Amino acid sequence: AQTVTQSQPEMSVQEAETVTLSCTYDTSENNYYLFWYKQPPSRQMILVIRQEAYKQQNATENRFSVNFQKAAKSFSLKISDSQLGDTAMYFCAFMVPSGTNNDMRFGAGTRLTVKP
Amino acid sequence: GAGVSQSPSNKVTEKGKDVELRCDPISGHTALYWYRQRLGQGLEFLIYFQGNSAPDKSGLPSDRFSAERTGESVSTLTIQRTQQEDSAVYLCASSLGSRPFGNGYTFGSGTRLTVV
Repeated sequence: AQTVTQSQPEMSVQEAETVTLSCTYDTSENNYYLFWYKQPPSRQMILVIRQEAYKQQNATENRFSVNFQKAAKSFSLKISDSQLGDTAMYFCAFMVPSGTNNDMRFGAGTRLTVKP
Repeated sequence: GAGVSQSPSNKVTEKGKDVELRCDPISGHTALYWYRQRLGQGLEFLIYFQGNSAPDKSGLPSDRFSAERTGESVSTLTIQRTQQEDSAVYLCASSLGSRPFGNGYTFGSGTRLTVV
């Protein structure tokens, strides 16, 4: 079974500072994809960043970067220069490519509050 | 359309009534997914469509839940004889093809269902 664990239900950070959200997963597969999604109060899930397991280089998207440790099965998200608009629920997700079943497995989420 | 559209945005229904939730995926997206998100929790996979066939129905929680899809277009999630435990946000997502590896999914804003 493939599972995704986010051990921090809630976190807060001061505006302009850096925060790291943790995520671990469990799988016996070697080829897979990892994602971080942001869910603001509007409820719409927004893709923040993605990582292919076969790539050693950590993905970066502007202020968002990941620390992907494949051996440790860890995929943390770092948000630099936090902004008030970053306040949201953040979900880590995992997908194994398959011809028949492509459902994405999500963690329980971390509620991030950016304080002014 | 430009994005994934879900309707209604909010639905309040009496226990025991049937409800239909609608999802309009992005035009050209052949894969469609339904998820349930209970208050304060992560996303729970319900069902996946590739075209109008459903190769994976494993997530449907009971036989009161069913889903249909017309071609590669609209999908309807039906919950019969609703129970209070069905109260949740129901999220729909679509992706281009059955292997959305690089881009993950595009989500709608969900339908918040409240059973009273």
